[in-house]
Amino acid sequence: EAQVTQNPRYLITVTGKKLTVTCSQNMNHEYMSWYRQDPGLGLRQIYYSMNVEVTDKGDVPEGYKVSRKEKRNFPLILESPSPNQTSLYFCASSSGTEWGIQYFGAGTRLSVL
Amino acid sequence: GQQLNQSPQSMFIQEGEDVSMNCTSSSIFNTWLWYKQDPGEGPVLLIALYKAGELTSNGRLTAQFGITRKDSFLNISASIPSDVGIYFCAGPLSSNTGKLIFGQGTTLQVKP
Repeated sequence: EAQVTQNPRYLITVTGKKLTVTCSQNMNHEYMSWYRQDPGLGLRQIYYSMNVEVTDKGDVPEGYKVSRKEKRNFPLILESPSPNQTSLYFCASSSGTEWGIQYFGAGTRLSVL
Repeated sequence: GQQLNQSPQSMFIQEGEDVSMNCTSSSIFNTWLWYKQDPGEGPVLLIALYKAGELTSNGRLTAQFGITRKDSFLNISASIPSDVGIYFCAGPLSSNTGKLIFGQGTTLQVKP
């Protein structure tokens, strides 16, 4: 089954404790992206990757890191999480030609205390 | 940064009613996308629009790409309880940047 898999689905952590949210897709997609969803703000793009070893900042990249060492994986790293990073996070992927048409994971709900 | 403004922010309607929502931008878009997010899940693409004036249907859903290229509309006819969710418009900033902008969403609730 074609899918985008995020782990974990739920995470509670404390300020300053480094964490990684993993994202994997099995559709051989070139493009992958991370978003955060906050009430009243819709989805805001954090980082995206057009292909392996190519990453770019979205609208809200501060406090986040990503890497794209292989095509199927695109982890999101919070080196020193803060309470304002409490949010619902989504990973998405798409083919290189139609990158606007994105397939989303089920989401990761993160709480930073 | 670039914004897409969706209206209304929320709607509470009776089953069987028709629904209309829209999305506007201060800039021109070459593609408009409409996504739906069911409760507890990630967004799923409903309709993609590629040409000014284009009208596209997907079952009971109809979306239009505005003539000015600065707006788009989504209509749902004869709503049913499973239409509940958040509807997002989205557009790529340009064809090759990789940046996708989303509206704030329209939350739809349907009363059986």
